[in-house]
Amino acid sequence: DQQVKQNSPSLSVQEGRISILNCDYTNSMFDYFLWYKKYPAEGPTFLISISSIKDKNEDGRFTVFLNKSAKHLSLHIVPSQPGDSAVYFCAASYDDKIIFGKGTRLHILP
Amino acid sequence: DAGVIQSPRHEVTEMGQEVTLRCKPISGHDYLFWYRQTMMRGLELLIYFNNNVPIDDSGMPEDRFSAKMPNASFSTLKIQPSEPRDSAVYFCASTTGGGSYNEQFFGPGTRLTVL
Repeated sequence: DQQVKQNSPSLSVQEGRISILNCDYTNSMFDYFLWYKKYPAEGPTFLISISSIKDKNEDGRFTVFLNKSAKHLSLHIVPSQPGDSAVYFCAASYDDKIIFGKGTRLHILP
Repeated sequence: DAGVIQSPRHEVTEMGQEVTLRCKPISGHDYLFWYRQTMMRGLELLIYFNNNVPIDDSGMPEDRFSAKMPNASFSTLKIQPSEPRDSAVYFCASTTGGGSYNEQFFGPGTRLTVL
C-alpha cells in the first residue's frame, strides 16, 4: 500500500516556465513533508520542507504548497532552469517514520 | 566535511554470495538510515539507527538482510545469501536532531547487481 504517491513518473517543461510536481498521501498521521532532488549517480539532496501546520513554504524559486484536507502537496519551480532536470522525491514523516514516493523525473526543455 | 561516505560504489556478485555494504555518516550526526531504490518500489527505508541503536527495522525485506552500527562512525548492511531481486541502489543517509523531521544527508549510493 503506497502511502505517498507521485502519480506522474515524468514531466517535461519548457525552460523559463513553471514546473509543478504533485504528491498525494493517504496517512493523516503525517505531520512533516519534504522534497528531495536527485541527479544520476548521486544521492538525493534536500530541497524544501513544510510542516503540517502551514500551507505554504517558499525558498527562492521553490515553493511547496500543502492542502491537508485533500492530502495533497505540490512543488512549484519558477522559473524552471536546465539544472532543475532531475528526479524529485516527495517524502512524508511522523514519529521518525519517513515514507518516500517513487519520484518524478523532470525534464527542462531548452 | 566529506559528507556521507559509502563503499563500494558498485558491487557485482553472484547469487548466494554474501554482500556487505558500508557507510560512514557525517561526524556528529546521531541518526543513520539505510534505503533501497528500485524502479518498482522507489526509495524504501530499510532500517534506521539513533545513537547506534536500531530503532525501526520494519523495512528490512527478510532475514537475509541485517544491519549493524558498532560505533557512531560506521555502519554495515549485509545480505546473506544474496539473490537477483536484491539488485538495487542502496543509500545511506545521516542527520541530527529530529530524525525524519530534519534534512537527511545522503551518500552517493552503492549499486548492487546480483547475477
